[in-house]
Amino acid sequence: SAVISQKPSRDICQRGTSLTIQCQVDSQVTMMFWYRQQPGQSLTLIATANQGSEATYESGFVIDKFPISRPNLTFSTLTVSNMSPEDSSIYLCSVRRGQGNGGELFFGEGSRLTVL
Amino acid sequence: AQSVTQLDSQVPVFEEAPVELRCNYSSSVSVYLFWYVQYPNQGLQLLLKYLSGSTLVESINGFEAEFNKSQTSFHLRKPSVHISDTAEYFCAVTPRTGFQKLVFGTGTRLLVSP
Repeated sequence: SAVISQKPSRDICQRGTSLTIQCQVDSQVTMMFWYRQQPGQSLTLIATANQGSEATYESGFVIDKFPISRPNLTFSTLTVSNMSPEDSSIYLCSVRRGQGNGGELFFGEGSRLTVL
Repeated sequence: AQSVTQLDSQVPVFEEAPVELRCNYSSSVSVYLFWYVQYPNQGLQLLLKYLSGSTLVESINGFEAEFNKSQTSFHLRKPSVHISDTAEYFCAVTPRTGFQKLVFGTGTRLLVSP
């Protein structure tokens, strides 16, 4: 299993500001994943964060908007920059345990952001 | 690329009744299939998964899902639901080989009432 802690759990932000979400895992992992869950929609992968290299972003997501840091094997941050109401969402950190793509994904409890 | 369709956004059911949550997927390659559950105010957690072998997989709390390759489906069933099963259920798929993301369906909210 994996224990994942995310901070903040929720926040209300003003348009145009930026917020950094922290993700701490209880053991070392190679890859950490950042997902977004918009109201009434599915989870969408934003990017994959590898320690010591640039994050890999999915189509529709860019580094300028969602910069990611991965300073070590147990920690990552996601920043939501220049926020607008459309960024109101739950942001989830995730890690995979087990072999390859069949391994289980473990999720943090999420960070619920509301942008006014 | 893969995609997942969960046609039912919400399924209301009475306690002790049977339930089926539908999941269909699309993929040009072989896949692994998952069901995740999100209880109110909690994070997502794995309910069950199909990797290989028997096409019927079970969870510890009485849910089961059957992989049907010809119909590209992975429906989730439970013969008798409890109030505590009220949650959001997400079907997900990923290719068997190569690093690929886990693709989620839009989720089905199961509402169990007494």
